[in-house]
Amino acid sequence: SQQGEEDPQALSIQEGENATMNCSYKTSINNLQWYRQNSGRGLVHLILIRSNEREKHSGRLRVTLDTSKKSSSLLITASRAADTASYFCATFYSGGGADGLTFGKGTHLIIQP
Amino acid sequence: SQTIHQWPATLVQPVGSPLSLECTVEGTSNPNLYWYRQAAGRGLQLLFYSVGIGQISSEVPQNLSASRPQDRQFILSSKKLLLSDSGFYLCAWSAPWGREQYFGPGTRLTVT
Repeated sequence: SQQGEEDPQALSIQEGENATMNCSYKTSINNLQWYRQNSGRGLVHLILIRSNEREKHSGRLRVTLDTSKKSSSLLITASRAADTASYFCATFYSGGGADGLTFGKGTHLIIQP
Repeated sequence: SQTIHQWPATLVQPVGSPLSLECTVEGTSNPNLYWYRQAAGRGLQLLFYSVGIGQISSEVPQNLSASRPQDRQFILSSKKLLLSDSGFYLCAWSAPWGREQYFGPGTRLTVT
């Protein structure tokens, strides 16, 4: 079953603006991860936040996690044209019989030059 | 450094034909290996994962199968392809203790 759901499905902003994407999930998790996928390519791991963390930074990326609301957000500051891609959240849970990640459908981000 | 390879990059196969997609990882030992499928405009669906040679877990019942004949080799197969098997197939690996996954470039499969 779908675990992570990203919102919005598509987002178009001007270069230099900040982009915020949200992810909601349904069950308890061990960690939540964000990935980027350029068109027709594999996914690239961006950042992992553990269930006992509330916020994490990596360069221009800022991820928050609210386990009480079962939601996470990814903020990309000072966006660049190269940030155009699809962004997926993925949840990892142990004890569910699977050792893989459960992905949402993604947010397609377009940065207008 | 670790690298992951997939081939072929693209494949067009008729309905009913067999399938073999290969994935290999370099620069690491005893990785966890995964096969995902991504349908157009959708997220990734976990198909199979493996924690060791000969150990395969299936997440979705279907006409696909996976094998791990060597530590760093993961193969996705089918005896008879269906139209619904079309999609973008991604292989990924993770360290046994880690949770980040690292993806290959993918194989675009079109079943006609």
